[in-house]
Amino acid sequence: EVRLVESGGGLVQPGGSLRLSCAASEFTFDSYWLSWVRQAPGKGLEWVANINQDGSAKYYVDSVKGRFSISRDNANNSLYLQMNSLRVEDTAVYYCARHSSGWFVAPIDIWGQGTLATVSS
Amino acid sequence: DIVMTQSPDSLAVSLGERATINCKSSQSLFYSSNNKDCVAWYQQKPGQPPKLLIYWASTRQSGVPDRFSGSGSGTDFTLTINNPQPEDVAVYYCQQHYTTPWTFGQGTKVEIK
Repeated sequence: EVRLVESGGGLVQPGGSLRLSCAASEFTFDSYWLSWVRQAPGKGLEWVANINQDGSAKYYVDSVKGRFSISRDNANNSLYLQMNSLRVEDTAVYYCARHSSGWFVAPIDIWGQGTLATVSS
Repeated sequence: DIVMTQSPDSLAVSLGERATINCKSSQSLFYSSNNKDCVAWYQQKPGQPPKLLIYWASTRQSGVPDRFSGSGSGTDFTLTINNPQPEDVAVYYCQQHYTTPWTFGQGTKVEIK
C-alpha cells in the first residue's frame, strides 16, 4: 500500500524552528512531484510548497517564502519541510502529499495523516 | 493568485436527492497540453486527510463510487453527488492544479437530513 507518514510536529515558540519529515513507501519515490499542504484548526486547506522529482524546482505560497524550505532525499524516500521564523498563524496540521504523476499539473492523489505544528508562547 | 470560490458553504440533502456543489475560478483552468481543465475535488471527513474524488474536472479517481461526478469547463465547475449516502457526510473542496500557488475553495459542508 502506498503510504506517507509525517513526523516532527510539536509545540514551538514564535520565532522558533521545526523540521517536518515525511517517509514514503511502496511507490517509486523519485518519479513524483511532492507537496506540503496545511490546515489550521477548524479551517480549510492551504497548499504550502512543492518540489519536483530531483529537487531542482521548488515553489512556495507567498506567506512562507523566505521562512520555509522544502527538500527531498530520494535515496531515503523522504520529504522535508524546514520551517524557520515561525508565527502563530503557522499553527496547523501539515500534510505530506504526492502528486499523481511526474507532471507539474498532476493533482494530489495520496495524502499522509498529517502532523500538528503548534506555534505558541 | 487564482481564487476558487465555492457555493454553498453548507447544504443538507435527503437520501435519494442530489447534492450539487459549485466552484468558480478567477481565471481559466484549461490546460492546452491535454485539453483538460485542472480542477480536482476532495472529500474530507473529520480527523482524516482529504481524499481525491475527481481530477481533470471530470475524471473519477479509482475506487470512488459512481454517484460522485464532476463537470464544467473554463471557470465554472460542479461536483454532483447522486443519491448521497450517510457516509458522504463530509467537507468537500475544489482545487486548481493549474499553477502555483495551488489554491483551494473554502469548502462545502454536506450533511444528510
